[in-house]
This record gives sequence, structure tokens and C-alpha cells, in this order.
Amino acid sequence: SQKIEQNSEALNIQEGKTATLTCNYTNYSPAYLQWYRQDPGRGPVFLLLIRENEKEKRKERLKVTFDTTLKQSLFHITASQPADSATYLCALDRFDTGRRALTFGSGTRLQVQP
Amino acid sequence: KAGVTQTPRYLIKTRGQQVTLSCSPISGHRSVSWYQQTPGQGLQFLFEYFSETQRNKGNFPGRFSGRQFSNSRSEMNVSTLELGDSALYLCASTYRQSRGHNEQFFGPGTRLTVL
Repeated sequence: SQKIEQNSEALNIQEGKTATLTCNYTNYSPAYLQWYRQDPGRGPVFLLLIRENEKEKRKERLKVTFDTTLKQSLFHITASQPADSATYLCALDRFDTGRRALTFGSGTRLQVQP
Repeated sequence: KAGVTQTPRYLIKTRGQQVTLSCSPISGHRSVSWYQQTPGQGLQFLFEYFSETQRNKGNFPGRFSGRQFSNSRSEMNVSTLELGDSALYLCASTYRQSRGHNEQFFGPGTRLTVL
């Protein structure tokens, strides 16, 4: 069956370090992979998108990699700050029988300690 | 540009009742998707509407339905509420290119509690 897996355990890191979050998937062939940030009580906010033919994408302190062979995406936040504390969701964007479908992972909670 | 708005923000209902939630997308966005978010199941896709037509549907029972109006505003309805329907219901809009990326702009959600 199709599955998207993100580490359900919270990730705790010290301010200034690099946070690395993992998104693994099985039985999907996504056209795109997206990362969102969600704060408590709020809707997710789009951060980055990477296409299936791209290996890496950067935006300020954020970096996403996409390995379609390993079926894995890594999301990095460099020089992390307490304000980066949130839940981060990966989402696979694919086309099923001509219809678009965006499927989310369950998210990983990041806690950056000052 | 105003973001996605959802009303009401909080709702308490009892089992067996029905509920209607409303979503106004970002101006110019023609696609509206609805998601249910619970601690156990995460964010699950309910359905997507584009130009007043349902274009895609998730794996939810028929008690969950929706519609979209000519101004792109959307409503979703849940009939015969069950305790398990307690969740954060999120609406997202997108400009919706057929083959382009599908960045979703989410509203703040409606927190539904079923007693």
C-alpha cells in the first residue's frame, strides 16, 4: 500500500545547529514533493517545492533534497532558531489517472532550544 | 491580498447533528480543497472543487459532502455527526495549473468538537 513516513518523534536541537527532517515514501511516483510548516492551531504554510527531476532546492536557510531512487526527501534548516520550532509536513503531489492528489505525511515536530 | 478565510473557527455539536463549514479562497484562486486533521490520522484529503465541480475525492463516507459556488467560495457539510468526526477541518485554495505545481494556501481551519 502507499505510505508516507515522517519521524513521529519530536526532534530537539540546540539553537544554531542544523535540523534535518526525513520524509520517506513507498509505492508512489510523485511529480513534486512539497514541505509545509504548521504552528499549533494554524493551517500549514507552504515552504518549498522540489520536482522529481531536481536533486536539491534552497531557500534562505532551508534546503530540500529529493532522491527518487531512495524514495526519500530530506529537509534541512541551517542555523536553526527557536522561531523555527513547529511541525513540518511533507506532501507528495502526484497525478492519479489524470487527477491531481496531494498527500501529506503525519509531520515531525521540531523544537529548537535557545 | 487577503488569505483564505474559514468560518466558523470553532464549533461544538452533538452526535447525530449536521454541520456546514464555509471557506472563502484567495481572490483569483479557483480550486478549493478540504482536509481533515486529527492527531491520529494526520492531514487527510476530503475533496477538491474547481469551477463548481468536484474534481477529486478522498476516502471518506458519503456523510461528508461539499460544494463550490460561482464565486469559488466553498462549503462542506457533515451529516449525522459521529464522535470520530471531531477534528480540525482545513480548507486550502490554489490557482490550479493542470501540470504545474500545486502549492496550497491554507486557511486557519475550523475546530469541530462532537460531544
